[in-house]
Amino acid sequence: NAGVIQTPRHKVTGKGQEATLWCEPISGHSAVFWYRQTIVQGLEFLTYFRNQAPIDDSGMPKERFSAQMPNQSHSTLKIQSTQPQDSAVYLCASSRDRSSAETLYFGSGTRLTVL
Amino acid sequence: QEKVQQSPESLIVPEGAMSSLNCTFSNSASQSIWWYQQHPGKGPEALISIFSNGNKKEGRLTVYLNRASLHVSLHIRDSQPSDSAVYLCAVGNNRIFFGDGTQLVVKP
Repeated sequence: NAGVIQTPRHKVTGKGQEATLWCEPISGHSAVFWYRQTIVQGLEFLTYFRNQAPIDDSGMPKERFSAQMPNQSHSTLKIQSTQPQDSAVYLCASSRDRSSAETLYFGSGTRLTVL
Repeated sequence: QEKVQQSPESLIVPEGAMSSLNCTFSNSASQSIWWYQQHPGKGPEALISIFSNGNKKEGRLTVYLNRASLHVSLHIRDSQPSDSAVYLCAVGNNRIFFGDGTQLVVKP
């Protein structure tokens, strides 16, 4: 079991460019979460999916962020027109189920730097 | 929205000592309470969870939960340099909220 895989590990974009982050959850896990981590804000919830369906995106900045889960083996987080304040480590996590209290298994994250 | 606060921000202990970390949360109905450990450049890793009032022990870790006072604590017995990391308290139901963490340094 390779754990949650996130690619790329590092991404540098210019202001105004698009960034797409990828996540491969643990096989068999039905829930996938996206978090953002910064020194100032800590670990912030963005969105989560259960059985590929979006359940809660209340943490997502409304205008430029979107997340999808086209199949059970990967999810993407897309940021359009990136801004310097988007610079952060984006973490993906999966769990067996979200109907009960299950452990979140995190990937190592993608460090996004917007110049 | 759940509010999770951790103290202290940082903690330095000698090898072999007990490390004590604290966390308060705002919603007594939050079902899940977890402690995660995070090393530099890695994602958080779950250490121990507790759901009922009282205490739970796993190896060198003991966690105490008091829902009435909205307080949970983590105690690491016989702390080792390899325990040096950021410890995150996580609370919630379907949506999990994290505290800002306690940076633990265990000096040899």
